[in-house]
Amino acid sequence: SAVISQKPSRDICQRGTSLTIQCQVDSQVTMMFWYRQQPGQSLTLIATANQGSEATYESGFVIDKFPISRPNLTFSTLTVSNMSPEDSSIYLCSVDLDEQFFGPGTRLTVL
Amino acid sequence: GENVEQHPSTLSVQEGDSAVIKCTYSDSASNYFPWYKQELGKRPQLIIDIRSNVGEKKDQRIAVTLNKTAKHFSLHITETQPEDSAVYFCAGGSNYKLTFGKGTLLTVNP
Repeated sequence: SAVISQKPSRDICQRGTSLTIQCQVDSQVTMMFWYRQQPGQSLTLIATANQGSEATYESGFVIDKFPISRPNLTFSTLTVSNMSPEDSSIYLCSVDLDEQFFGPGTRLTVL
Repeated sequence: GENVEQHPSTLSVQEGDSAVIKCTYSDSASNYFPWYKQELGKRPQLIIDIRSNVGEKKDQRIAVTLNKTAKHFSLHITETQPEDSAVYFCAGGSNYKLTFGKGTLLTVNP
């Protein structure tokens, strides 16, 4: 497995602002993933982040809204841009180490 | 793309009974099927997984079966305990992309 941390653990933001979420893992991993989990719902893949290449976004998610960085093999960021109350959710990163392990999540509330 | 259906959405059992959760998938190319347990306010935790070259896998009280022909897989928990109460998610796909089922809320009554 791996030790995965996320910052911040939670935040309350005003609509129209942006929030950057950080994901740090204690070992080098090729693939990192960002998911959204809306209250009481399942996990939905936002994008896959590989170091040295552009992130791959899933249907319904676009780079302008969710820009992702992957500067090295242990770190990634997800930005939620121009937020609205509909963006209130838990955002989780995960890493692939032959199995997928999740970070603790960032609980975002947009007012 | 892959579509994963999970049933039931809620399941209540008595302590000591068995619990079975079933999932179906649509993409015959999917080769990896993990199961996650998520307690309230916590991250999803991998509890068991199975790959398409295996029909069954067991880890103590937990087992998973896979039927590639019918495109379905199931989680079996025996001798349930109150601490098994949680939401369980199945997923299907590959190491590079997973699609999750909608989850099953399992309640184990003492």
